[in-house]
Amino acid sequence: GAGVSQSPSNKVTEKGKDVELRCDPISGHTALYWYRQSLGQGLEFLIYFQGNSAPDKSGLPSDRFSAERTGGSVSTLTIQRTQQEDSAVYLCASSNYNEQFFGPGTRLTVL
Amino acid sequence: GQQLNQSPQSMFIQEGEDVSMNCTSSSIFNTWLWYKQDPGEGPVLLIALYKAGELTSNGRLTAQFGITRKDSFLNISASIPSDVGIYFCAGRDNFNKFYFGSGTKLNVKP
Repeated sequence: GAGVSQSPSNKVTEKGKDVELRCDPISGHTALYWYRQSLGQGLEFLIYFQGNSAPDKSGLPSDRFSAERTGGSVSTLTIQRTQQEDSAVYLCASSNYNEQFFGPGTRLTVL
Repeated sequence: GQQLNQSPQSMFIQEGEDVSMNCTSSSIFNTWLWYKQDPGEGPVLLIALYKAGELTSNGRLTAQFGITRKDSFLNISASIPSDVGIYFCAGRDNFNKFYFGSGTKLNVKP
């Protein structure tokens, strides 16, 4: 596709369950980012993949959060044993080094 | 880590007025970007700036990359109701990592 896509668009889960969020970056973009945005707040950096380099995981809030990027393209953000404070919009972005383009986000609600 | 200060936090203006917002950083950036986010959507890139002193326009939007490489501003001229939203600045460092301001919420009264 032409832009960054994310799925699902909405996810409702029960506290304690695991969730997987998917991101398809723009074709050819070597850098991929995950951010979290709570209601009415700014963007919180989570993790950054750059080509074949080790990812920058410095923004992951706890060891319940992990992410993979397979084949240098699609990425999956996994949240284990979800908590209510994990409820937020999770945004993925990809970059061609100079500019960064965002997907529409996945709205996660933990009941 | 690098810190971006974006101001103002919010603005209430009348339709037709001009708007200005800015960002300052504790460190230099190689690229400055400005985004607009509408409710329920991801941020959309408005303007990208690539070198110090650069002044770029996109319709009614004008942005500048500060000479010190530590600041940028965005101006919106003759505001209209559809300009309502949250505007974010972002800077890219030498490691291709992006840092975001906290956003400016713009309200336009018809």
